[in-house]
Amino acid sequence: SAVISQKPSRDICQRGTSLTIQCQVDSQVTMMFWYRQQPGQSLTLIATANQGSEATYESGFVIDKFPISRPNLTFSTLTVSNMSPEDSSIYLCSVLAGDETQYFGPGTRLLVL
Amino acid sequence: SQQGEEDPQALSIQEGENATMNCSYKTSINNLQWYRQNSGRGLVHLILIRSNEREKHSGRLRVTLDTSKKSSSLLITASRAADTASYFCARVKGSARQLTFGSGTQLTVLP
Repeated sequence: SAVISQKPSRDICQRGTSLTIQCQVDSQVTMMFWYRQQPGQSLTLIATANQGSEATYESGFVIDKFPISRPNLTFSTLTVSNMSPEDSSIYLCSVLAGDETQYFGPGTRLLVL
Repeated sequence: SQQGEEDPQALSIQEGENATMNCSYKTSINNLQWYRQNSGRGLVHLILIRSNEREKHSGRLRVTLDTSKKSSSLLITASRAADTASYFCARVKGSARQLTFGSGTQLTVLP
């Protein structure tokens, strides 16, 4: 299994500002993903974080709003830009292990006022 | 958006009873994974079942998969209050390995 940490665990932000969320995994992994979970909802994939190239975004998510970095095989960041109250969600990163299992980080709970 | 549904949306049982949650999907899959989430925290991986498997067990958990009906079920036997959580199924299709989540079942186990 993989051990994943995320920072910050939670934050309260003002609208119009940006927040960068970090995801660190304890071993090298090929694939990392970012998900959003809006209040009371299930998880939705934002993008696949690709090491050494631009992230692959799902329909409805764009790079200008959710820029992602993946500088190496153990680390990724997701930035939520120009935030509005609708961005209040839990943001989770996940990694794909060799046995096809996906492990999730503890999540970052974001509240935008 | 989710490409399948879970039922029931909410389930309330007494401690010691069994809990069954169902997951349906619409497209072919490589595998299907079940997760537990406590109070909006991170997801805990429970079981992965591959498309060529029909049943898997892990402790008090039993997962079945019927690819002809495009459905899976999660059975928790002898439930405990600590099993209270949201349970999600998630499907993997193709080489991209992204997870597509179901809508989830909120399980409450009453002591």
